[in-house]
Amino acid sequence: LAKTTQPISMDSYEGQEVNITCSHNNIATNDYITWYQQFPSQGPRFIIQGYKTKVTNEVASLFIPADRKSSTLSLPRVSLSDTAVYYCLVGDGTGANNLFFGTGTRLTVIP
Amino acid sequence: GAVVSQHPSRVICKSGTSVKIECRSLDFQATTMFWYRQFPKKSLMLMATSNEGSKATYEQGVEKDKFLINHASLTLSTLTVTSAHPEDSSFYICSAGAGSGLNTEAFFGQGTRLTVV
Repeated sequence: LAKTTQPISMDSYEGQEVNITCSHNNIATNDYITWYQQFPSQGPRFIIQGYKTKVTNEVASLFIPADRKSSTLSLPRVSLSDTAVYYCLVGDGTGANNLFFGTGTRLTVIP
Repeated sequence: GAVVSQHPSRVICKSGTSVKIECRSLDFQATTMFWYRQFPKKSLMLMATSNEGSKATYEQGVEKDKFLINHASLTLSTLTVTSAHPEDSSFYICSAGAGSGLNTEAFFGQGTRLTVV
């Protein structure tokens, strides 16, 4: 089971780009990387998922280097509403393998 | 996208009573659902994996007789906290996976805030 390591917290000013990096040194060949966002008293919400290189959607980009031992979630021009906890998970999509949460990164966006 | 609905969103119960939390996949079938518990400012801790038509698989340290899980249909899993005590007060979250392999995406319910008084 691939373990993930993220910074505990980050602060950013509104309008800046935020990059949150996650380490997953033991990622397996069949594992993919998924990021979730969680607001207080709500369930996590899917942000983005990728296997290698770069993935982009309407809310974020995910950068995965060739060795896949880390990944970086990039949030462009954050706003106050992006203040939340961001979790990086790795797994192969079978059973609960991809659903063990690490500590997450608490992002605080400052006006 | 797929929707997972959890009910109730919050509940207060007296110590010693039991509380049932429902988790429904609204527009897809989920043979497997997952139950988590989350304490304030902590991460989600997987409690058990709920399997449709069979017994749930509990994580180490989670009492199966305390947290009863039933997954009687492909769209409904329930978690019953039996003989609740104040230390069971927590935020309980369920999730279900849609798709398979690289296309699997876990959808989470909105969570249930349980307060035992």
